Amino acid sequence: IVLTQSPGTLSLSPGERATLSCRANQSLVNNYLAWYQQKRGQAPRLLIYSASRGATGIPDRFSGSGSGTDFTLTISRLEPEDFAVYYCQQYGSSPPSITFGQGTRLEIK
Amino acid sequence: EVQLLESGGGLVQPGGSLRLSCAASGFTFSSYAMAWVRQTPGKGLEWVSSMSASGGTTFYVDAVEGRFTISRDNSKNTVFLQMDSLRVEDTAVYYCAKDSNRVRPNTFDFWGQGTMVTVSS
Repeated sequence: IVLTQSPGTLSLSPGERATLSCRANQSLVNNYLAWYQQKRGQAPRLLIYSASRGATGIPDRFSGSGSGTDFTLTISRLEPEDFAVYYCQQYGSSPPSITFGQGTRLEIK
Repeated sequence: EVQLLESGGGLVQPGGSLRLSCAASGFTFSSYAMAWVRQTPGKGLEWVSSMSASGGTTFYVDAVEGRFTISRDNSKNTVFLQMDSLRVEDTAVYYCAKDSNRVRPNTFDFWGQGTMVTVSS
């Protein structure tokens, strides 16, 4: 399964709303789609799983939506610490395997 | 607090071998699958391999199948990645990650800090 994220780079200001897209080339079983945040020099952090469920400790300004092949990560009001690279990941394929999207860089405008 | 500490990275020539280790603490290690994920410098993430909680089932990305071997020692809370026949394209930061599931690869809720593997002559 190939995941395509868009846009490649998103330039926004703190306080604005961010909408990131992830599209799969085939429908994801059970909407098994996750989102991660990676800051420079750090490991990724799990934000969302099963397309819309927030991981433990994730602020509620992060939300996920979508089903089938089209998924969205929304950050309602950007905080300075939210500027990072975001990856989507699928985990429902058969035989079992994991693929990541190529990432969306969220930068300060 | 969950901690994952990788070690074993370094510089190796093409065709050589390395063994990565990941020492885990802060959770019941034997209850969760574990994984290795790599990241090429400046590029994205690539899942490499996963092993079920019991160690009875393994999964690999096609690019490393037959060259890499994942294993674990539940008595020592450690997961390993034996990397043989290394290629230049295997150069990356290798992350150890805790899976949220017990058997098949799922989501990775905790990650180590990564260890750099450089394959170069």
